[in-house]
Amino acid sequence: GAGVSQSPSNKVTEKGKDVELRCDPISGHTALYWYRQSLGQGLEFLIYFQGNSAPDKSGLPSDRFSAERTGGSVSTLTIQRTQQEDSAVYLCASSSHDGYSNQPQHFGDGTRLSIL
Amino acid sequence: AQSVTQLGSHVSVSEGALVLLRCNYSSSVPPYLFWYVQYPNQGLQLLLKYTTGATLVKGINGFEAEFKKSETSFHLTKPSAHMSDAAEYFCAVTEPNTGNQFYFGTGTSLTVIP
Repeated sequence: GAGVSQSPSNKVTEKGKDVELRCDPISGHTALYWYRQSLGQGLEFLIYFQGNSAPDKSGLPSDRFSAERTGGSVSTLTIQRTQQEDSAVYLCASSSHDGYSNQPQHFGDGTRLSIL
Repeated sequence: AQSVTQLGSHVSVSEGALVLLRCNYSSSVPPYLFWYVQYPNQGLQLLLKYTTGATLVKGINGFEAEFKKSETSFHLTKPSAHMSDAAEYFCAVTEPNTGNQFYFGTGTSLTVIP
């Protein structure tokens, strides 16, 4: 498809388990972002990848959160030892901008994560 | 640091009435500004953006927004609301040449009353 693809669309897991969320960006987009959207809240920036540069991890809320981007394309967001407060929609976005930030972000439909 | 303020977390308008969603930002330099719309269970879609040039920008679905530097605002308007406009709207800002973070407002939920 032409858009940003995220999987799974929904994930329900028990507290304490690890989860992996996947994002396939638009082909050729060098920039990739992860956001968290809690119920009734705006978007909370988590992490940003730009090409082969070191990622901007300044938004990760704790060391239980990590992300990687393999081959400059697919990205995986991993949450270890999940807590109930991790329940949210996790959105991935990609962009073609190369540092001039005038290109918009294209969003996937998100992964709705529920921690029991 | 940049920030985005969307006044009114919930806005209700009658079908056919003017839509006005407010966005104010703080930035040390003229920013790039964006409006996104989010329908239920979907990601965000770009409505319009301002980077440089004309301060009144037109987007999809009949929406437009005007960048007012003196007021540090980028309010979103539509002359006549449709039922299909009911959604969550987010304003976002980033600074030119920073290449990384986009800052989003907390969103405004638009309800259209038939």
